[in-house]
Amino acid sequence: SQKIEQNSEALNIQEGKTATLTCNYTNYSPAYLQWYRQDPGRGPVFLLLIRENEKEKRKERLKVTFDTTLKQSLFHITASQPADSATYLCALNQAGTALIFGKGTTLSVSS
Amino acid sequence: DGGITQSPKYLFRKEGQNVTLSCEQNLNHDAMYWYRQDPGQGLRLIYYSQIVNDFQKGDIAEGYSVSREKKESFPLTVTSAQKNPTAFYLCASRGTGFSGANVLTFGAGSRLTVL
Repeated sequence: SQKIEQNSEALNIQEGKTATLTCNYTNYSPAYLQWYRQDPGRGPVFLLLIRENEKEKRKERLKVTFDTTLKQSLFHITASQPADSATYLCALNQAGTALIFGKGTTLSVSS
Repeated sequence: DGGITQSPKYLFRKEGQNVTLSCEQNLNHDAMYWYRQDPGQGLRLIYYSQIVNDFQKGDIAEGYSVSREKKESFPLTVTSAQKNPTAFYLCASRGTGFSGANVLTFGAGSRLTVL
């Protein structure tokens, strides 16, 4: 069956460092991979989308890579701030199909 | 402001009762979705609707029902047949951008607790 794994449930880093979150998938060939941010008690918010034919996508301090050979996406937050503390969800799908979500990684950035 | 409104934010239910969670959007989106989120679990798809008067079961539809009589509204009923209904429920809709990618806009969620 299709499976998405996000490297760890929790990641703790110091302010100013780069946070790197991992999303691995098996038994699937997604056309799109997305990253969402979720704050406690709130709904997820879309951050970035990367397509299968793209290697990297950037938005301000965020960078996403997509390696279809390794079946892996890396999500980087550079110059991290305490306000970046949240749960980050990886999601993927094929064209027109419903999204499949990972369990998320909770990032804590300490000052 | 355009967005998705879910109500109520918190809901308590006694065993054996049906409850209905409301989801309204003013984004003019065609497709709407219901997900369930449990601690330590990813979002799991309950039902989705691509168009008015049509909907499909997701991965965990048993014990739930939906209707889509209006484009703006997609209510979810949690029936007494749902054995473990305590969870955080999220409604979402899909816009027309990022064609095929299903980028979703989520509501703030409804937390249901069975007493």
